[in-house]
Amino acid sequence: DQQVKQNSPSLSVQEGRISILNCDYTNSMFDYFLWYKKYPAEGPTFLISISSIKDKNEDGRFTVFLNKSAKHLSLHIVPSQPGDSAVYFCAARRPYGGATNKLIFGTGTLLAVQP
Amino acid sequence: GAGVSQSPSNKVTEKGKDVELRCDPISGHTALYWYRQSLGQGLEFLIYFQGNSAPDKSGLPSDRFSAERTGGSVSTLTIQRTQQEDSAVYLCASSARHGFNEQFFGPGTRLTVL
Repeated sequence: DQQVKQNSPSLSVQEGRISILNCDYTNSMFDYFLWYKKYPAEGPTFLISISSIKDKNEDGRFTVFLNKSAKHLSLHIVPSQPGDSAVYFCAARRPYGGATNKLIFGTGTLLAVQP
Repeated sequence: GAGVSQSPSNKVTEKGKDVELRCDPISGHTALYWYRQSLGQGLEFLIYFQGNSAPDKSGLPSDRFSAERTGGSVSTLTIQRTQQEDSAVYLCASSARHGFNEQFFGPGTRLTVL
């Protein structure tokens, strides 16, 4: 049962253009969402997050949008740079309150930014 | 400062053998997590340690998997009688406190079971 889904395994974008990575989830109890970036042979690194009480969070070139009614979030990277080429994982957290603070991850989207 | 480290970086073993994977979390981080990523899959939660509390083992796929965390720091994930389906990258992460959302990951151990 895949509670967090990234339906696009890969995405190719031209340098300078916008990259949009999508993520869908099924559990309406998720209260916090994160994006991680992973280069080959390295562990994932935290990129940006959003609380379920917000619908947008921006950090430099990275913006995350949350649509709770659609159970959908997206990561926008603009402008895209070749160094952004990596696998991007969407993750969701079940609410605190006795439950483990573990993250449920999607399968990842490989972003390739072409120079 | 030092990040999360894991050893070995690669491990090749024969089916039926036991393996131990090690994780050194960031100093002072009280929460430690193990995940694994199988080919074509997302990161799958295995086990979680928080301070001196009983670990959350709900993600361990079978009783061949176990983990310890000694002294609230270093953790060892042990897989007994390895099977080919255990082949994956095993990732360790730590975070500063329970409820803190950002987890810092190590580089992972790539386990191959022949």
